[in-house]
Amino acid sequence: DIVMTQSPATLSLSPGERAILSCWASQSLGNKLAWYQQKTGQSPRLLIYGASTRATDVPARFSGSGSGTDFTLTISSLQSEDVAVYYCQQYSQWPPVTFGQGTKLEIK
Amino acid sequence: EVHLVESGGAVVQPGGSLTLSCVISGFSFRDYTVHWFRQIPGKGLEWVSLFSRNGVTTFYADSVKGRFTISRDYGRSSLYLQMDSLRSEDTALYYCAKEHGTMYFDYWGPGTLVTVSS
Repeated sequence: DIVMTQSPATLSLSPGERAILSCWASQSLGNKLAWYQQKTGQSPRLLIYGASTRATDVPARFSGSGSGTDFTLTISSLQSEDVAVYYCQQYSQWPPVTFGQGTKLEIK
Repeated sequence: EVHLVESGGAVVQPGGSLTLSCVISGFSFRDYTVHWFRQIPGKGLEWVSLFSRNGVTTFYADSVKGRFTISRDYGRSSLYLQMDSLRSEDTALYYCAKEHGTMYFDYWGPGTLVTVSS
């Protein structure tokens, strides 16, 4: 199975700052990488697929980049409603699809 | 509008059985594959099983293979997960989710909680 690793585990930033979340894969994924946002008590929400394509109704401040084994989710200007855990997920080699352990984003 | 709603979660003893249901609306099983996932509260996401839109193909995570069975009732718009020989490590919130493209997921249900405990 492909192992996904996310960093940092927790990120604490002020409103308006840029957040950079990293995700690494144990094998090359091409661009078969998705990002999800999960707020407390809610189900995951698809943000990004194909490493860089925003899903429907996702604000433009969210962007994804990378290919192969190294990927990044950037939130250009943090807002209070962005507090959540963010997961990356590979779909290059399945089953199973696999997720990273998550990055918890906090607002100072 | 697309919706998925899970039900059937409960407290069950180790070794017991439980069947979860996922009722879908706003799309067809013929057009999209639907999956089961689980999440230990406060922890990460684990893929569990899928029932392909082709109506035939199923897959299971190694952790549940031989104990869980996925099935589908097209007429009832329902996906099921029969869980047998339950273990404490199966305790989790179980979600069903719809594929957007191949193997990534745009709609999730709210989840149903399974607790395996004596």
